[in-house]
Amino acid sequence: DTEVTQTPKHLVMGMTNKKSLKCEQHMGHRAMYWYKQKAKKPPELMFVYSYEKLSINESVPSRFSPECPNSSLLNLHLHALQPEDSALYLCASWAPGGEQYFGPGTRLTVT
Amino acid sequence: GQNIDQPTEMTATEGAIVQINCTYQTSGFNGLFWYQQHAGEAPTFLSYNVLDGLEEKGRFSSFLSRSKGYSYLLLKELQMKDSASYLCAVRVYSGAGSYQLTFGKGTKLSVIP
Repeated sequence: DTEVTQTPKHLVMGMTNKKSLKCEQHMGHRAMYWYKQKAKKPPELMFVYSYEKLSINESVPSRFSPECPNSSLLNLHLHALQPEDSALYLCASWAPGGEQYFGPGTRLTVT
Repeated sequence: GQNIDQPTEMTATEGAIVQINCTYQTSGFNGLFWYQQHAGEAPTFLSYNVLDGLEEKGRFSSFLSRSKGYSYLLLKELQMKDSASYLCAVRVYSGAGSYQLTFGKGTKLSVIP
């Protein structure tokens, strides 16, 4: 199983809503990542979790709140987002010395 | 920080060979990765190099020269479905057991009949 899954695939939310994005992998990887990707731009790193601990936060606004409940799951809680936060949100996981696997992404639209 | 450069766009003919170059300047280099991304989809892993030399995977090959800060992705026997963006990414060690990837801006490849 070399799969990273993400739900939902698409999400439309208002600026006052609270929603969560979910990511799951069962490859035993201990590093998991959230990226944000705008159209025609490369993915931008948001957060890195290593052994369920937040190790990197790339100065992401507090309206994005990551959570790693266990070694297989990664959540991204969203609150009071802005229209400019509309993007493709990608989750990835990594085995040391190996490849980084991306999930299919969640297409987020903030209205 | 990291600085990664790759051409913005390239066009090649079906059946031909194309080489996409990537140059980088970074500290803490721990590998160079290539990803393919079709519009609206997530990146998919193609190849990576940690040591100097050529890695071959079917129609795709990647080369690395660490001393020159240079890599290329070679695509052979181009097919229409190879039309996509190709992302060069550098991996660095971030401490606390973490690695991170920094991506170049991507090269949009168009394959024409």
